[in-house]
Amino acid sequence: KAGVTQTPRYLIKTRGQQVTLSCSPISGHRSVSWYQQTPGQGLQFLFEYFSETQRNKGNFPGRFSGRQFSNSRSEMNVSTLELGDSALYLCASSLGQLSADTQYFGPGTRLTVL
Amino acid sequence: AQSVTQLGSHVSVSEGALVLLRCNYSSSVPPYLFWYVQYPNQGLQLLLKYTTGATLVKGINGFEAEFKKSETSFHLTKPSAHMSDAAEYFCASMNRDDKIIFGKGTRLHILP
Repeated sequence: KAGVTQTPRYLIKTRGQQVTLSCSPISGHRSVSWYQQTPGQGLQFLFEYFSETQRNKGNFPGRFSGRQFSNSRSEMNVSTLELGDSALYLCASSLGQLSADTQYFGPGTRLTVL
Repeated sequence: AQSVTQLGSHVSVSEGALVLLRCNYSSSVPPYLFWYVQYPNQGLQLLLKYTTGATLVKGINGFEAEFKKSETSFHLTKPSAHMSDAAEYFCASMNRDDKIIFGKGTRLHILP
């Protein structure tokens, strides 16, 4: 069974631009969560989607948004990029809701904001 | 507020020696607890998790962790380190609100 895939793997943007990251969960998984990983702040939870609904959200500004499609694929969008948004963005999927099931992580998208 | 503290951002052990990575959590009620491992340029892989029941949890690759409520700890151990264990390890906590909090991570170095 294929694992969690994230596209693109690497991305370079400039300040003020917006970016969309994509995550395809493991087949049959209905929950997708997003995380931001930086050297300074470590791993931080962004949000979780389950059956196309946002179940939970971390403490990030409204510039960070996401959505989930009927096939469970998820996208994350960051608008008006800032230098501090440079990070590794990880997506994870689980069969059920976040608390109930093990998460499987993708390799991440490394975003660099210049 | 919920928090997770990992003692030591870098830990070095000799190959074959005991691995001990420390994790303390702060929570008013016993949370779910996790240990993840991250190899370079990869995502996280779950080593083990504690939800309820037995306080000694066995995971993959020979790792185990013990939930100690009185000490609010969930330390990760492995009896004998292998070179392939060199990676970064993250402890995480999840309360009933389903928000997961990660520790800052501990990079494990294995000395030949």
